[in-house]
Amino acid sequence: KQEVTQIPAALSVPEGENLVLNCSFTDSAIYNLQWFRQDPGKGLTSLLLIQSSQREQTSGRLNASLDKSSGRSTLYIAASQPGDSATYLCAASNYGGSQGNLIFGKGTKLSVKP
Amino acid sequence: NAGVTQTPKFRILKIGQSMTLQCTQDMNHNYMYWYRQDPGMGLKLIYYSVGAGITDKGEVPNGYNVSRSTTEDFPLRLELAAPSQTSVYFCASSPGQYNEQFFGPGTRLTVL
Repeated sequence: KQEVTQIPAALSVPEGENLVLNCSFTDSAIYNLQWFRQDPGKGLTSLLLIQSSQREQTSGRLNASLDKSSGRSTLYIAASQPGDSATYLCAASNYGGSQGNLIFGKGTKLSVKP
Repeated sequence: NAGVTQTPKFRILKIGQSMTLQCTQDMNHNYMYWYRQDPGMGLKLIYYSVGAGITDKGEVPNGYNVSRSTTEDFPLRLELAAPSQTSVYFCASSPGQYNEQFFGPGTRLTVL
């Protein structure tokens, strides 16, 4: 059974710092991995989707990598801003799962201090 | 496009009451999902649908029912509300089995 873990649960950094959020998964037979952002009391906003055949995806200041062999994905945020403060969730979609069902980690709560 | 919309945003129920959480998407997606998110936890799948008329159970289906009569709508029904169903409920849709999923804003439900 796939399990997704995100460490640390919370992270506080000063504005302008580059940072990395970590996501690990136990079953390497994933089809894709998706990173989301969740603001307090809000829904999930999709940030990046990495297919299993890809090594990384980039969108603006965000770069997500995927290493299936080690069961790890990272989300790199460059030049962090206070507006980046949110909870970041990663989710894996496995082959043979419930029709594309996403298995979520518990998230990393990021706080960027001005 | 409005994307995925959910109503209501908030609801308080008494134990034993029933209600329907509404979900509508305007992207013509075949796949739709209901998740619940408990405090400090990841989202868990309740039910999903791969098209109109086709639904199936996810990881935590007990106490819930769904229907999918149209491509756009995927309502979630709670028949006898229990305190354990206090949670935030998210609906999502996707064009295909392994495509990006798009989420609605959520319904925050409290059962007292």
